[in-house]
Amino acid sequence: NAGVTQTPKFQVLKTGQSMTLQCAQDMNHEYMSWYRQDPGMGLRLIHYSVGAGITDQGEVPNGYNVSRSTTEDFPLRLLSAAPSQTSVYFCASRVTSGGATGELFFGEGSRLTVL
Amino acid sequence: AQSVSQHNHHVILSEAASLELGCNYSYGGTVNLFWYVQYPGQHLQLLLKYFSGDPLVKGIKGFEAEFIKSKFSFNLRKPSVQWSDTAVYFCAVNDPLGWGKLQFGAGTQVVVTP
Repeated sequence: NAGVTQTPKFQVLKTGQSMTLQCAQDMNHEYMSWYRQDPGMGLRLIHYSVGAGITDQGEVPNGYNVSRSTTEDFPLRLLSAAPSQTSVYFCASRVTSGGATGELFFGEGSRLTVL
Repeated sequence: AQSVSQHNHHVILSEAASLELGCNYSYGGTVNLFWYVQYPGQHLQLLLKYFSGDPLVKGIKGFEAEFIKSKFSFNLRKPSVQWSDTAVYFCAVNDPLGWGKLQFGAGTQVVVTP
């Protein structure tokens, strides 16, 4: 059971470049989300999805796009990277049945540097 | 909007010392509370969680937390730390009626010296 898998683990971009961070989970979780982790600020929610075809914005959505075409995958797209998007990105998932009480399972993170 | 405050950003202590990390939240309704831990180079893992019932919650690796509703607090404790407890600890709160979006605190870096 792989859990939540993120790729790539490391990426360096130049300002203005685009890229996609991939996230896949094999636990049949309905809920998936993306967080960014910055020093002194904890984890901040970028986007989340409660099921295939349904996405919504979190706390810091600007500059990021997401889609959810399947239950398993939830890619995060940076259309035009900016230095302010230098961060560590975490994908997380959980079940939604029974209310919002399930444990979030995290991927290992993707460290992105924008020059 | 709800917020989560962790009082200590950096804690250094010796092995066998006791640890207590403070966490306060601002949301006034019924909440679910979590403590996550991030060991060096690893992803976040759940330490413990509180949904209802006994306000003293026991988690993995000897950690426990106490929910005090009147103080909007959920402090984490461990009576005797080990070097392997060196990690970043995050408190998190969610609204059980709002799809469970987790609000995280800024985290506390705990360093345990041998």
